[in-house]
This record gives sequence, C-alpha cells and structure tokens, in this order.
Amino acid sequence: AQTVTQSQPEMSVQEAETVTLSCTYDTSESNYYLFWYKQPPSRQMILVIRQEAYKQQNATENRFSVNFQKAAKSFSLKISDSQLGDTAMYFCAFHDATSGTYKYIFGTGTRLKVLA
Amino acid sequence: SQTIHQWPATLVQPVGSPLSLECTVEGTSNPNLYWYRQAAGRGLQLLFYSVGIGQISSEVPQNLSASRPQDRQFILSSKKLLLSDSGFYLCAWSLGGRVGQPQHFGDGTRLSIL
Repeated sequence: AQTVTQSQPEMSVQEAETVTLSCTYDTSESNYYLFWYKQPPSRQMILVIRQEAYKQQNATENRFSVNFQKAAKSFSLKISDSQLGDTAMYFCAFHDATSGTYKYIFGTGTRLKVLA
Repeated sequence: SQTIHQWPATLVQPVGSPLSLECTVEGTSNPNLYWYRQAAGRGLQLLFYSVGIGQISSEVPQNLSASRPQDRQFILSSKKLLLSDSGFYLCAWSLGGRVGQPQHFGDGTRLSIL
C-alpha cells in the first residue's frame, strides 16, 4: 500500500529564517504527483505547491520550493523568508496517476510555528 | 471560476441522532468529490470519494454513508451518530477525468457529538 510519512509533528522557525519540512512516501509506481497543502488556524486547506514525478525540476512558488528526490522517495518543502502568516499545519499528499482511483493519500502533518 | 460550498460550518448533535452534511461545487462538470475527516490535531482520513453520479467508494467501514444525487452535490449522512464521529469534516473536489490535479477544499464542518 502507498504511504506518506511526515516525521516532524511540530517545528518552529524565527521570522525571516528558512525552514524545511520533510515528507517521504512509499510507492512502486513511477507516474505520480505530490502536493503540499497548508492549513492555517482558520482550517481552510490551501494548495501550496505541486510536483509531477516525471519532471526532475523542483517546483517553486514564490517563497516555497521543494526538494524532490525520486530515488529516495523524498519530497521536502522549503519555506524561505518565513512570515508570521506561514504559521499553519502543513500536509504532504501523494496521488497515484496510474491506479485510476483518483485518490489522494495524506501524511499526518507538520505543525509549523513562525516566531516573531 | 470554480467554487465549493460546504455547510453547516458548525454542528452540535446528540449521540444517536441523524446527520446530513452537504457539499456543492460550482463552475465545473463531473468533478471528483471527496469527504475527509480530521480528528483534532491529526491528518486527513479519506471517508468517501465519487467519480460520478451514484458512484461512491467507501474507504473506512463505519456508520457513515455518502450519496451523490446530482453531478455537483455530495452528501455525508449517518442514521445514528456515535461519540467517535466528532471531528472536522472536509469536502473536496478535483477535476474529473484528469489525474494529477490538485484538490480544492471547502471550509469544513466542525461536528461535536454530545
């Protein structure tokens, strides 16, 4: 079965600093997609970034970037110049493009607190 | 543009009472629809998903059920709520028939069982 693991339940970072959130996954498939979602205290789930497994180039969205290591099955999220508004729960998600089920598998999340 | 509406935002129900949570999507046709539950401080547990009208896949056997009576309407129900049904329920959609698309979430329903 495919799994997603986020091994850091909680993290903190000083404002303006850089922080990296870890995510590993397990799959035997080669065609899949990976996502990071942000859930602030309002609990609205917001898409942060999307990565296609067959693209070697790491995805970037403004201050958010990923380090995608396909062989290691690792998909970490780097937040640069952290802001107080980045305080949130962050979820890593996996989507198998070959199963035809349209399911998404989420990790247990990392709670990030940005300190002033 | 596409929007997703989920209601109610908050619900307090006694044990043994019925439940009906509703979710509708606007601006797209034949979306994939999902119901998740999030326990306090925990990850997302997929409960049900649907790729078309009347097509429901259940991920976790429990006293909840889902229905999709219309293309863009997804309903989560229970005949008798249990204390363990408390949690935060999220509805989501993704583009139908296309893999690799991100999910878009509603604002959620906070369900408390007394």
